[in-house]
Amino acid sequence: AQSVAQPEDQVNVAEGNPLTVKCTYSVSGNPYLFWYVQYPNRGLQFLLKYITGDNLVKGSYGFEAEFNKSQTSFHLKKPSALVSDSALYFCAVRQNTNAGKSTFGDGTTLTVKP
Amino acid sequence: DAGVIQSPRHEVTEMGQEVTLRCKPISGHNSLFWYRQTMMRGLELLIYFNNNVPIDDSGMPEDRFSAKMPNASFSTLKIQPSEPRDSAVYFCASSAPIGTSGAKNIQYFGAGTRLSVL
Repeated sequence: AQSVAQPEDQVNVAEGNPLTVKCTYSVSGNPYLFWYVQYPNRGLQFLLKYITGDNLVKGSYGFEAEFNKSQTSFHLKKPSALVSDSALYFCAVRQNTNAGKSTFGDGTTLTVKP
Repeated sequence: DAGVIQSPRHEVTEMGQEVTLRCKPISGHNSLFWYRQTMMRGLELLIYFNNNVPIDDSGMPEDRFSAKMPNASFSTLKIQPSEPRDSAVYFCASSAPIGTSGAKNIQYFGAGTRLSVL
């Protein structure tokens, strides 16, 4: 079985400040990890992924995430938040097998205030 | 590519009616996923297909829900009869075959169908 936890329903930051959206996971074997973003009335959009290699992954719009195997975490970060980053963020995990489904977290609403 | 295309974008129907949601995945993708999103339960995977074959339908809520993928470019999710508690946004997503460089493992989502059952 695989699972994802996003412990915060809501994260509020001021524009220009760093942001962190937390994610922890549970999966058998090595994980594939993903972050997606959802803007209002839109489908989810891929932000970044960790498959293998460097633990620090860089993605779209200046976002990055760090894979921490010992803490089973994959927190999303950005050094300087923008108001336009305000959206719903989903973390997802799946087993590194050739087929299979991803399990999504419940989502974290990020609000960046001017 | 136009991305994953879902139709209709909005559907309003009365309880008891049949509802059919449609999805056209990205050309060349061989996995297709149907999700339901509600405020109460978040994003739920209903069913997914690999090479047009249903692999896991454990998320389908009950027998009123059925999904088909008759070919690589089309899938339907049907609810019969519909109930008010089925009101949600239904998303379709597709992903490329394993071994496809760059895009593998990433799911590409459609814009969703907002279903309201009165």
